[in-house]
Amino acid sequence: AQSVAQPEDQVKVAEGNPLTVKCTYSVSGNPYLFWYVQYPNRGLQFLLKYITGDNLVKGSYGFEAEFNKSQTSFHLKKPSALVSDSALYFCAVRDSTDTGRRALTFGSGTRLQVQP
Amino acid sequence: DAGVTQSPTHLIKTRGQQVTLRCSPKSGHDTVSWYQQALGQGPQFIFQYYEEEERQRGNFPDRFSGHQFPNYSSELNVNALLLGDSALYLCASSLRWVGDGLNEQFFGPGTRLTVL
Repeated sequence: AQSVAQPEDQVKVAEGNPLTVKCTYSVSGNPYLFWYVQYPNRGLQFLLKYITGDNLVKGSYGFEAEFNKSQTSFHLKKPSALVSDSALYFCAVRDSTDTGRRALTFGSGTRLQVQP
Repeated sequence: DAGVTQSPTHLIKTRGQQVTLRCSPKSGHDTVSWYQQALGQGPQFIFQYYEEEERQRGNFPDRFSGHQFPNYSSELNVNALLLGDSALYLCASSLRWVGDGLNEQFFGPGTRLTVL
């Protein structure tokens, strides 16, 4: 079974400050990891993914994420937050070794609030 | 290039009724997955269709059924609606086979179903 935990329901940061949204995962094999963002009344928008290789992944809108295998974590980061980054963020995982399972398992989401 | 489209945007039904939601995948995609996102939660996988067959199913009752058409579009049907079926229903499209086996999913804006 695969699972994702996002331990923080909400993260608040001031504009211009760095932000981190936490995610830990559990899979039987190697993980494929994703971050999605959801704005009000919108579907999920893809930010970035980790498949293999470099542990630091760069994505859209200046976001990046660091894969840490020993800590089974995939935290989302941004050096300087913008008010427009305020949204709901979801981490998702898929087990790369389970070829029959292609669905994503999502965390419960973290609401990011960037204050002016 | 049109992304994933879903219809209708909103829907209100009463308990016991049946509902059909529709999804057109992103151009070039052949696989459609459906997710249920209850208020305040992450998306939960319902099922996935490829080559007009259900290939994988999450933990949802048989009241939830689907169909995929030759043009890759898909429908989600829910029978005997319950109050607890009220949610945002998201459709995601992807390519079944991509070089490294990863099928990145692109999401539509969703259909918000309210059951009274």
